[in-house]
Amino acid sequence: EDQVTQSPEALRLQEGESSSLNCSYTVSGLRGLFWYRQDPGKGPEFLFTLYSAGEEKEKERLKATLTKKESFLHITAPKPEDSATYLCAVHNRDDKIIFGKGTRLHILP
Amino acid sequence: NAGVMQNPRHLVRRRGQEARLRCSPMKGHSHVYWYRQLPEEGLKFMVYLQKENIIDESGMPKERFSAEFPKEGPSILRIQQVVRGDSAAYFCASSGTGDSPQETQYFGPGTRLLVL
Repeated sequence: EDQVTQSPEALRLQEGESSSLNCSYTVSGLRGLFWYRQDPGKGPEFLFTLYSAGEEKEKERLKATLTKKESFLHITAPKPEDSATYLCAVHNRDDKIIFGKGTRLHILP
Repeated sequence: NAGVMQNPRHLVRRRGQEARLRCSPMKGHSHVYWYRQLPEEGLKFMVYLQKENIIDESGMPKERFSAEFPKEGPSILRIQQVVRGDSAAYFCASSGTGDSPQETQYFGPGTRLLVL
């Protein structure tokens, strides 16, 4: 069964303290891996799509990378406004999108 | 606003009543997806629709739940005879143009259903 596991479940960082969020996946025929940001009471906001191992994408303080088994979302010098839940999802060959439970990130000023 | 729109944002129903959730996809998108999210849980796929067609409803309970995406108007997720366990946030996402879906899905703000 296809699975997406995100770690850690929650992460508290000081402002400016860089770190990485992990998304491990087991999927039949990966067609794409997605990262979303979700703020409390709101819908997920699209960040990145990665399609193949070795691919990297960047947006402001965020960089997403992909290997054959996992993806990392690196956050560099985070600010309090980066606090949110970050969701990872995979698109498999059966056209299913499977989400992880997310990592709750809290950046302390 | 060209984003995905959902209404109502909050809905309170008593057990046994019906809940109707509406979703207007992003302009130009023809693929709609419904998800349910419980606290501390991930988004769970329910149903995938194109205009006038249900493509995949494998994640939707067989009883009491139905979805449609008519030729004109928004997509509707309908829950009949609601029970307390239906309380959750329901999100709609849209993607793609024409006949082929694009993998990236864009989400609406969600409808929070509370069943008393």
